[in-house]
Amino acid sequence: EVQLVESGGGLVEPGGSLRLSCAASGFSISSYSMNWVRQAPGKGLEWVSYMSSSSSSSSSTIYYADSVKGRFTISRDNAKNSLYLQMNSLRAEDTAVYYCARDFVVRGTSWYFDLWGRGTLVSVSS
Amino acid sequence: EIVLTQSPGTLSLSPGERATLSCRASQSVNSIYLAWYQQKPGQALRLLIYGVSSRATGIPDRFSGSGSGTDFTLTISRLEPEDFAVYYCQQYGSPPLTFGGGTRVEIK
Repeated sequence: EVQLVESGGGLVEPGGSLRLSCAASGFSISSYSMNWVRQAPGKGLEWVSYMSSSSSSSSSTIYYADSVKGRFTISRDNAKNSLYLQMNSLRAEDTAVYYCARDFVVRGTSWYFDLWGRGTLVSVSS
Repeated sequence: EIVLTQSPGTLSLSPGERATLSCRASQSVNSIYLAWYQQKPGQALRLLIYGVSSRATGIPDRFSGSGSGTDFTLTISRLEPEDFAVYYCQQYGSPPLTFGGGTRVEIK
């Protein structure tokens, strides 16, 4: 079955760190651009980060939303078919459900997403 | 950053009725880069429409998208019980990509 499953969320104090994982099955994560999108409680969706598809001959292009730049790091382990989001210096406003999402286009970027996980909740509070 | 405003916030309709959801952009969306998603509790988001009016794989033809510039519409011609959900528009013509605040379609 083609799916994405996020994990790693939890309760963390302001200033703390957390690492989210997104395990892909049914397809090769290296062939797709991947994204993280978050949703604060009762709010709409906010794009967080992007990583382009990868190949052995080139490194991936990475983008971040201004709200997380310098604090969050996106990465991928093709051998484990997984995407990650390292979140440092967490703030209360980072509290949200975090989704990983696959780009629609194979080995390209369309900026719309045809496969989403169910999300993992990150709560930042003292 | 392009801000997308969706209206109404909540739409109360009965099965079989027509639903018209609006998405208005704060500035013109580049070309045809507008998508719609459906969200149900506990389920993964589902891509419905991309490129303003193209249906994603497996999406029934009761869902249709239209619009240009700053005004876009998602229409559900006849609501089925499984269509009651929250719907989000997304623009991806100008970085950063942004989403609207959502429209909840609830059973009347």
